[in-house]
Amino acid sequence: NAGVTQTPKFQVLKTGQSMTLQCAQDMNHEYMSWYRQDPGMGLRLIHYSVGAGITDQGEVPNGYNVSRSTTEDFPLRLLSAAPSQTSVYFCASSRDRKVEQYFGPGTRLTVT
Amino acid sequence: GENVEQHPSTLSVQEGDSAVIKCTYSDSASNYFPWYKQELGKGPQLIIDIRSNVGEKKDQRIAVTLNKTAKHFSLHITETQPEDSAVYFCAASGRASKIIFGSGTRLSIRP
Repeated sequence: NAGVTQTPKFQVLKTGQSMTLQCAQDMNHEYMSWYRQDPGMGLRLIHYSVGAGITDQGEVPNGYNVSRSTTEDFPLRLLSAAPSQTSVYFCASSRDRKVEQYFGPGTRLTVT
Repeated sequence: GENVEQHPSTLSVQEGDSAVIKCTYSDSASNYFPWYKQELGKGPQLIIDIRSNVGEKKDQRIAVTLNKTAKHFSLHITETQPEDSAVYFCAASGRASKIIFGSGTRLSIRP
């Protein structure tokens, strides 16, 4: 099993550009989530999904969209990148929300 | 909304001593409390978790305690070793389908 994979590992965007961060898992997990990690602020939940076709907002959803058309994939879309979205983004998956989450290796995003 | 506070933000202990990290949560319906360890350049990994029906759980040098009345839980690491140096996160899962993390503690072990 590859576990949770994220692409790309690094990305530089200009303000106003859009892009999609990819996340995939091969463990047949129902629960998937996106976090951003900023210095001194820990991991903040952006969006999460409890299964295919179901998504919901986390703590900091503004400026991001998600979809869950399959169990395996959970892409995160930045609609119009802003410098405030410079961060490290982690995707995670688990069987449900009350068991171990498996995190991907992260995507380091810089918006100039 | 649900909130998790974590203290201290940085902690330095002598090798062999104990380290304690504390968290408080706001949602009284929270019933699952995991702890994650993040090494440099990697994603967090679960090290121990506790559910609200127990007050303490141990796994070798690591233990977690939970006080539901006070709404706080703590991570205890005994006989610390250099490989314990990392960032540690607490989290809580409550009535909504969310897992909320604390702000993290950077633990350094002095030789």
